[in-house]
Amino acid sequence: GENVEQHPSTLSVQEGDSAVIKCTYSDSASNYFPWYKQELGKRPQLIIDIRSNVGEKKDQRIAVTLNKTAKHFSLHITETQPEDSAVYFCAASMGSGGSYIPTFGRGTSLIVHP
Amino acid sequence: GAVVSQHPSWVICKSGTSVKIECRSLDFQATTMFWYRQFPKQSLMLMATSNEGSKATYEQGVEKDKFLINHASLTLSTLTVTSAHPEDSSFYICSARKAGTSRNEQFFGPGTRLTVL
Repeated sequence: GENVEQHPSTLSVQEGDSAVIKCTYSDSASNYFPWYKQELGKRPQLIIDIRSNVGEKKDQRIAVTLNKTAKHFSLHITETQPEDSAVYFCAASMGSGGSYIPTFGRGTSLIVHP
Repeated sequence: GAVVSQHPSWVICKSGTSVKIECRSLDFQATTMFWYRQFPKQSLMLMATSNEGSKATYEQGVEKDKFLINHASLTLSTLTVTSAHPEDSSFYICSARKAGTSRNEQFFGPGTRLTVL
C-alpha cells in the first residue's frame, strides 16, 4: 500500500517568514495530493490540492509543488501569520472518479510567532 | 456549503459497553464516508471506508466485528464500538465525499472523543 512520510513534525517560524512542509510517497500510481489544515480542537479542512498532471498550484499565500519523478510534494506558505498556526496533513491517493482513498502523513505542527 | 456533523461530540462509557457514533452530511448526499481514528498529536488513521448500501471496507488491522459500520442512507453512517475497552479510547472522526461530483475533497466531521473507563 501507499506510504506517506511528512517532515518536519514541528515547524516554528516568525510572523512574515515562509514555511515549507515536505512529503514523500511510495506508490507511483498516486495521482491526487491534498493538504489539510487542522486547527486545535477543530476538524481538518482542505486548503489546497494538486493532481499528478500539474507541477505547481498556487492560491494566494499557499502553494503546492509536485515532483512525480522524485515522488515528493511540498506545501509552501508565504508571509505567515499567527492564524496559520495549526497542524497540516499531506495525503496521497490514487484512483479515478470518486474512488480516491487517501493515505495521510503524520502531520506537521506549524507555530507562527507574532 | 458542505457540513458534516457527528454525534455525540464526546462520550464516556464503562468497559464492556457498546457506543454508537453517528456521522451525518447535513446539506449534501455522500456516497462514500470514511472513519478515522486520531491519537493525540498523531495523524488520521483510516479505519474503514463505507459506501451507501454496501458493506464497509476495513483497513488492515481493524477488527470489523469490533467496529461495526453501517451506511444505511446517503446522509448517515454509524460506527459502533462494541464491548469497548480502555484501549479504544480515542478521537474518532468521520469524513464524507459528495455524491455526483468528480471532486475528491473530503469534508470532515468535528470528531467524537471516546473515553472508556
